[in-house]
Amino acid sequence: GAGVSQSPSNKVTEKGKDVELRCDPISGHTALYWYRQSLGQGLEFLIYFQGNSAPDKSGLPSDRFSAERTGGSVSTLTIQRTQQEDSAVYLCASSSRQGEQYFGPGTRLTVT
Amino acid sequence: AQTVTQSQPEMSVQEAETVTLSCTYDTSESDYYLFWYKQPPSRQMILVIRQEAYKQQNATENRFSVNFQKAAKSFSLKISDSQLGDAAMYFCAYRSGDTLAGSYQLTFGKGTKLSVIP
Repeated sequence: GAGVSQSPSNKVTEKGKDVELRCDPISGHTALYWYRQSLGQGLEFLIYFQGNSAPDKSGLPSDRFSAERTGGSVSTLTIQRTQQEDSAVYLCASSSRQGEQYFGPGTRLTVT
Repeated sequence: AQTVTQSQPEMSVQEAETVTLSCTYDTSESDYYLFWYKQPPSRQMILVIRQEAYKQQNATENRFSVNFQKAAKSFSLKISDSQLGDAAMYFCAYRSGDTLAGSYQLTFGKGTKLSVIP
């Protein structure tokens, strides 16, 4: 079956602009995660969605970051007023509630 | 908070030889899972192997095996008969098994870049 897909694959934006990153999880997976992979920080957890429960936002680095998951499926990560330090690869993963996480190919964000 | 440490930023191995990647972790939990993920240049994170902390037997997946030392909090990955396609970044990751914790996010090490020499 289809894996996790993410779009766009690459995004270049100017400092101060807003960006939206999209994740399509594996069909039937109730859990969805966003991670950020940057050169200096490695892989960091950002946010977690599980079914209809309130999301775990404990990893979001600032209030410029937000995410939503509509209809328990597609998720969008929004970064407002982008800064150069936001440049990174943003990875999405999905799983059954306690199962292994399957990752998408990521979105490489470059803020100029 | 849990931490995962990979002390080898880079490793190399001759094709067909064996290599071991190191990982240590710190946790106060008794129920958890450990994983090794592979990330080739395509950026796709691929699960290589998983280990449940309550299992004493080391996990094995074809040419990949782990040496899980729970008391020492060590979780190394052994790759046997290395192939050119094994060249990638390898990440060790920890996940809580406590359902009350709510989230099952992974905590990753910094990674080890593995090169395979023909």
